[in-house]
Amino acid sequence: GAGVSQSPSNKVTEKGKDVELRCDPISGHTALYWYRQSLGQGLEFLIYFQGNSAPDKSGLPSDRFSAERTGGSVSTLTIQRTQQEDSAVYLCASSSNLGQGDYEQYFGPGTRLTVT
Amino acid sequence: AQSVTQLGSHVSVSEGALVLLRCNYSSSVPPYLFWYVQYPNQGLQLLLKYTTGATLVKGINGFEAEFKKSETSFHLTKPSAHMSDAAEYFCAAVTNAGKSTFGDGTTLTVKP
Repeated sequence: GAGVSQSPSNKVTEKGKDVELRCDPISGHTALYWYRQSLGQGLEFLIYFQGNSAPDKSGLPSDRFSAERTGGSVSTLTIQRTQQEDSAVYLCASSSNLGQGDYEQYFGPGTRLTVT
Repeated sequence: AQSVTQLGSHVSVSEGALVLLRCNYSSSVPPYLFWYVQYPNQGLQLLLKYTTGATLVKGINGFEAEFKKSETSFHLTKPSAHMSDAAEYFCAAVTNAGKSTFGDGTTLTVKP
């Protein structure tokens, strides 16, 4: 079946502009995660959606970052007034999270964001 | 707060040698534990996972890991490294509430 998809695959933007990154999770997966991976760095947790519960936003680095998930499916990560330090690969993952250890995450290919 | 520590950001082994990548977690309740691999220019994929039951788990490509609660560890091993194992490896912990934490990753280099 279809995996997690993300768009765009690459985004180049000027400092100060807003960007929107999209994630389409695997159908039926209730959990959706956003991470940021900077060059040579690990995965930095940004935000976590689980079903209809309030999202865990504890990883968002500043109030310029926000995310929403519509209808329990597609998610959009928005970065306002982009800065050069926002340049990174943004990864989305989904998981069934139905308990019994079903917490394996399936990752999308990522969006490479470059802020000039 | 939950944390995952991977000792050694870079590990280099010779082809045919033992691979040992270390992972320790910090949590009051043992979480679910995972190893993911990221090959060059590819996305992350699951290598193996520990949820409940047998503490020695086997994954793809000959890798295995052992959950040791007393040591809060989940080290990844492979008896004999292959050139194709060169990649970045990430250890991850997920709580019952689904909160996910990744380690900083270990880059494995395999020398001919």
